[in-house]
Amino acid sequence: GNSVTQMEGPVTLSEEAFLTINCTYTATGYPSLFWYVQYPGEGLQLLLKATKADDKGSNKGFEATYRKETTSFHLEKGSVQVSDSAVYFCALTSGGGSYIPTFGRGTSLIVHP
Amino acid sequence: DADVTQTPRNRITKTGKRIMLECSQTKGHDRMYWYRQDPGLGLRLIYYSFDVKDINKGEISDGYSVSRQAQAKFSLSLESAIPNQTALYFCAPTADYEQYFGPGTRLTVT
Repeated sequence: GNSVTQMEGPVTLSEEAFLTINCTYTATGYPSLFWYVQYPGEGLQLLLKATKADDKGSNKGFEATYRKETTSFHLEKGSVQVSDSAVYFCALTSGGGSYIPTFGRGTSLIVHP
Repeated sequence: DADVTQTPRNRITKTGKRIMLECSQTKGHDRMYWYRQDPGLGLRLIYYSFDVKDINKGEISDGYSVSRQAQAKFSLSLESAIPNQTALYFCAPTADYEQYFGPGTRLTVT
């Protein structure tokens, strides 16, 4: 079956530091890959996505590249802000008409001033 | 997301009580999902619906039931609540493969 593994948190950084949150996956077919973000007290919201190999998703300064050869979709940001403090979830949905997403367990990011 | 409403936002109930969590959306998406979130466990799928007449069990459906009253409404019921159903519950209308999560219902069963 499908699975998503992401690095355990919390990840603690100072403001303006570089961020990487690792995500690797196993899946059948050709999955679409997603990063969702959950701010305190809120539901998850889509941060970025990529639907095929070598695609780069980007939004709000975050980026992730779909690497089929390493089955990875690592999230990066060059300079984090305190407002980026949240829980980040990597997820995938296989193609071929399967609409059941698979989520990682989430990685908490804490950014200090 | 203001297009997805969940009620109640917080609820404390007692063991054995029946409780309904409601979800409504204005996005017009056919597919809707119910998840629960527990610390350290991420999201787990309870039920999902591809349209009003198509309802499916997820990985943890025992102790739960659902009703899809209309395209816009998808309710989750706990038939006889127990303490290990204490969790944060999310509804997620879905278009293609993108999910739009509601603000969640925090449920505590004492």
